Amino acid sequence: FILTQPHSVSESPGKTVTISCTRSSGSVASNYVQWYQQRPGSSPTTVIYEDNRRPSGVPDRFSGSIDSSSNSASLTISGLKTEDEADYYCQSYDSSFWVFGGGTKLTVV
Amino acid sequence: QVQLQESGPGLVKPSGTLSLTCAVSGGSISSSNWWSWVRQPPGKGLEWIGEVYQSGSTNYNPSLKSRVSISADKSKNQFSLRLSSVTAADTAVYYCARVWGQQLVPWGQGTLVTVSS
Repeated sequence: FILTQPHSVSESPGKTVTISCTRSSGSVASNYVQWYQQRPGSSPTTVIYEDNRRPSGVPDRFSGSIDSSSNSASLTISGLKTEDEADYYCQSYDSSFWVFGGGTKLTVV
Repeated sequence: QVQLQESGPGLVKPSGTLSLTCAVSGGSISSSNWWSWVRQPPGKGLEWIGEVYQSGSTNYNPSLKSRVSISADKSKNQFSLRLSSVTAADTAVYYCARVWGQQLVPWGQGTLVTVSS
């Protein structure tokens, strides 16, 4: 299966943005979805795991959800800050195979 | 806390073999975890390469399976990646990471490998 994300999104500071991740085949609910943030020159770090759980240290402005009707997962960031500007990748797992979405570049301007 | 550090040549000739090692500190590779390799071509997205368990069991990305080998060395607390018959398309930052549940955490800092003559 593949995970499809929008190539880029842009929003203003203080606003809310949602990034989608659509699974091409199989149910999005059958395996957890994770979201990684990657700033330029840095390794990815987890902002959401197991669909909607936040690691310690990740602000509650970050939230995740899945929607079986659209077979997709979403990452929502509220109260946008300039420091949220980064690439975001969704990731899931099936039958000993890891899949990443193509990544979404978030611009906060 | 577990930390990972990749090491290996930064330049590999076309048709050669890329070899990288990931040293694990703050934890044991013999723990009940899988250990994974991911790569990222310049300016592009993440691609999962494969994973190894402490027993030596492996899973690979089917697109790379014919060229990839991942192994674990419990005595040195590290795991390794070998990718054969490399081309310019294999130029990328290579990351190692621990599998934790269904997420990869933590990640190493990554190492850039360039395939060029």
